[in-house]
Amino acid sequence: QQQVKQSPQSLIVQKGGISIINCAYENTAFDYFPWYQQFPGKGPALLIAIRPDVSEKKEGRFTISFNKSAKQFSLHIMDSQPGDSATYFCAASMLDTGNQFYFGTGTSLTVIP
Amino acid sequence: DAGVTQSPTHLIKTRGQHVTLRCSPISGHKSVSWYQQVLGQGPQFIFQYYEKEERGRGNFPDRFSARQFPNYSSELNVNALLLGDSALYLCASSLQGGPKKLFFGSGTQLSVL
Repeated sequence: QQQVKQSPQSLIVQKGGISIINCAYENTAFDYFPWYQQFPGKGPALLIAIRPDVSEKKEGRFTISFNKSAKQFSLHIMDSQPGDSATYFCAASMLDTGNQFYFGTGTSLTVIP
Repeated sequence: DAGVTQSPTHLIKTRGQHVTLRCSPISGHKSVSWYQQVLGQGPQFIFQYYEKEERGRGNFPDRFSARQFPNYSSELNVNALLLGDSALYLCASSLQGGPKKLFFGSGTQLSVL
């Protein structure tokens, strides 16, 4: 059973556009929601993370929007650049389960010049 | 500073064999986690070790085992390899045992023939 559901599977965006990736979860015990970026041949790298006590977190061009009642969160990449082309994973974990993260299935983002 | 280092980078084994994967965490990091990433999927949690003790185990068979050494490096062992064990095995380190920022290595690509 997929604990975190991610969509879309792939996304093509023009340079300068906004990329939006969505995730949904069922387990209300989750209390930490990171987004990871992965380039081919590399391990995932943390982009930004949020806890459920806030509805939005912004770091540079990356913003997480969090809707606790809907059990959904999304990543917005503003002014998307070709260098943002990568696979993005959402994840979730519970504070008392250490580093056991449940990852989504990933979104392959392509930003075309 | 060196990041998380994993060895080997690639490995080819045949069914039934045994494999050992190695990981060196970032200096100062005492927690190591192992994840399996099947092609086209998100990483799946296998183990977490903190201060040489197992802190968590994912839904993997007993053929999978791991340990952490006094210098905080870790190894993942898989016995009786199956074709389905073919995947990218990722090691991640973090500063403490709780859900903190994970720093992933580039992984070991295991192919089972």
